[in-house]
Amino acid sequence: AQTVTQSQPEMSVQEAETVTLSCTYDTSESNYYLFWYKQPPSRQMILVIRQEAYKQQNATENRFSVNFQKAAKSFSLKISDSQLGDTAMYFCAFMKLRESGGSNYKLTFGKGTLLTVNP
Amino acid sequence: GAGVSQSPSNKVTEKGKDVELRCDPISGHTALYWYRQRLGQGLEFLIYFQGNSAPDKSGLPSDRFSAERTGESVSTLTIQRTQQEDSAVYLCASVSAYSYNEQFFGPGTRLTVL
Repeated sequence: AQTVTQSQPEMSVQEAETVTLSCTYDTSESNYYLFWYKQPPSRQMILVIRQEAYKQQNATENRFSVNFQKAAKSFSLKISDSQLGDTAMYFCAFMKLRESGGSNYKLTFGKGTLLTVNP
Repeated sequence: GAGVSQSPSNKVTEKGKDVELRCDPISGHTALYWYRQRLGQGLEFLIYFQGNSAPDKSGLPSDRFSAERTGESVSTLTIQRTQQEDSAVYLCASVSAYSYNEQFFGPGTRLTVL
């Protein structure tokens, strides 16, 4: 079974600054995806960024980037130029890829990090 | 286009009552997942549908929980004889057959069992 650990229950950052959220995971799989989701108070889960395990290049999406260290099983999220709208819960999630057949791509989530961006 | 919708948005019930939670996925999405989010916790997988079949029910916490999907569309999660520990937000997500690595989530139903 996979586990995802987010060791920072809460973090805060000043507007326009950079913040890094940590995530580690444990798996014996070699082929998988990792995700960061954002959940604002509206409860709507929003995909922020995803990373395929077989890709060495770190994924980036505008102000969001990841530092994927496969050997260390670490997947941190960096938010640059933080904005007030970035205030939310952030969840790291793992998806195992099935090698043949099957189509169950359920997600395993960490407990989340509450990020507050201060003006 | 329309996203995933869930109803009701909030549900308050008394211990021992049955509740039904509804999920309307994005039209044409073949897979559907239910998750539970307890206060201060991450999401926990409950059940997965491919079409109208549920090949993975391993996350359902007890036999009081059941779910069905009809017409490869709407899904209903039923909790019988609710207990206080069932209080949580229940989210569903749908997935396109062409983009398995992105789950589109609904806004969830907040269930409170008194």
